[in-house]
Amino acid sequence: SQQGEEDPQALSIQEGENATMNCSYKTSINNLQWYRQNSGRGLVHLILIRSNEREKHSGRLRVTLDTSKKSSSLLITASRAADTASYFCATLGGGSEKLVFGKGTKLTVNP
Amino acid sequence: EAQVTQNPRYLITVTGKKLTVTCSQNMNHEYMSWYRQDPGLGLRQIYYSMNVEVTDKGDVPEGYKVSRKEKRNFPLILESPSPNQTSLYFCASSPTRRTEAFFGQGTRLTVV
Repeated sequence: SQQGEEDPQALSIQEGENATMNCSYKTSINNLQWYRQNSGRGLVHLILIRSNEREKHSGRLRVTLDTSKKSSSLLITASRAADTASYFCATLGGGSEKLVFGKGTKLTVNP
Repeated sequence: EAQVTQNPRYLITVTGKKLTVTCSQNMNHEYMSWYRQDPGLGLRQIYYSMNVEVTDKGDVPEGYKVSRKEKRNFPLILESPSPNQTSLYFCASSPTRRTEAFFGQGTRLTVV
């Protein structure tokens, strides 16, 4: 399976600190995506990074991709209490029609 | 407003009573899919559809059916629900399979 695995499973930080979440996967990919989910609600897309890209930014978010290590990281800078949520990586394999999600990192940002 | 709409949001039903969860998107997306989310297991894909009349199984299709007669609608059908189908269900759509997915707000299903 090419399922992504996030690390850590849970992360608790103070407001203003940076949060880093990692994702590892097993097979070659077409792209990797990060999503956020507030408790029990629908997922919201954050960033898509293609296999030929190494880094992307969106506001306070920075995503890196290392295809040689089959890993990605999501960095949230200057975190806010409103960033409290679960974060999921999802991979789309080169020949696959399916987006496969990891189990997520639960981030808590304390005010 | 661009959105994916699921109904109902909450449903409690009894074992064996057929039910349908509707999903509709207003973005003219080709690709639609259904996921279930369970504690400790993350999101798992049930079925997906590349376009009208084109559907295929995801990772956990047993006990579910889908149809795609129109581009905007992708209902999930449980012919004979069982308690192990108690879960949080999400419908999602994308312009194509390689682009970002837009998710509905979820349907929390309890089968007793």
